[in-house]
Amino acid sequence: DIQMTQSPSTLSASVGDRVTITCRASQSISRWLAWYQQKPGKAPKLLIYEASRLEGGVPPRFSGSASGTEFTLTISSLQPDDSATYYCQEYVTYPLTFGGGTKVEIK
Amino acid sequence: QVQLVQSGAEVKKPGASVKVSCKASGYTFSTYAMHWVRQAPGQRLEWMGWINAGDGNTKYSEKFQGRVTITRDTSATTVYMELSSLRSEDTAVYYCAKDGGYVPSRLDYWGQGTLVTVSS
Repeated sequence: DIQMTQSPSTLSASVGDRVTITCRASQSISRWLAWYQQKPGKAPKLLIYEASRLEGGVPPRFSGSASGTEFTLTISSLQPDDSATYYCQEYVTYPLTFGGGTKVEIK
Repeated sequence: QVQLVQSGAEVKKPGASVKVSCKASGYTFSTYAMHWVRQAPGQRLEWMGWINAGDGNTKYSEKFQGRVTITRDTSATTVYMELSSLRSEDTAVYYCAKDGGYVPSRLDYWGQGTLVTVSS
């Protein structure tokens, strides 16, 4: 199985800050990576797919990038509504696997 | 708009089975696969398997092979996930999630989740 390692596991930042979350795959997954946002008690919501494509309706302050097996989710200007846990997911092979999550808190 | 509506919470005893439903609407049901993903308390999301809603073909995670069965009813645009031989470690929220296009793919719409509690 492909292992997806996210860092950090938690982060605390202020409104307006630039926030970066990293996800590393244990082997090549090309650009077959998605990012999800999950709020407490809710289902995950797709933000980004194919490493950098923004899902429709998602604010443009969210962006994704890739370099080899390392992927990054960036929030350019953190907003109060962005308080959530973020997960990466690879979809190159089965079983589909997810990262351990990054909890983003607002200071 | 795409909607996935799941059945309600369940409480089961160890060794029992549970069947969770996922009613889809707002898109052509048979065109897209449906996945099942679970999340145990404080744990990461865990993929269980998917079904091709068109032809009924399935693929399961080896972890659940032999215990999970995913089926669909095209006339009711509903997908079902049955998990047998339940144990306490199966206590989790179970989600259905629509495949984004070319299986495997991103999961672009999710149901609201169904809490399954396994307790004696």
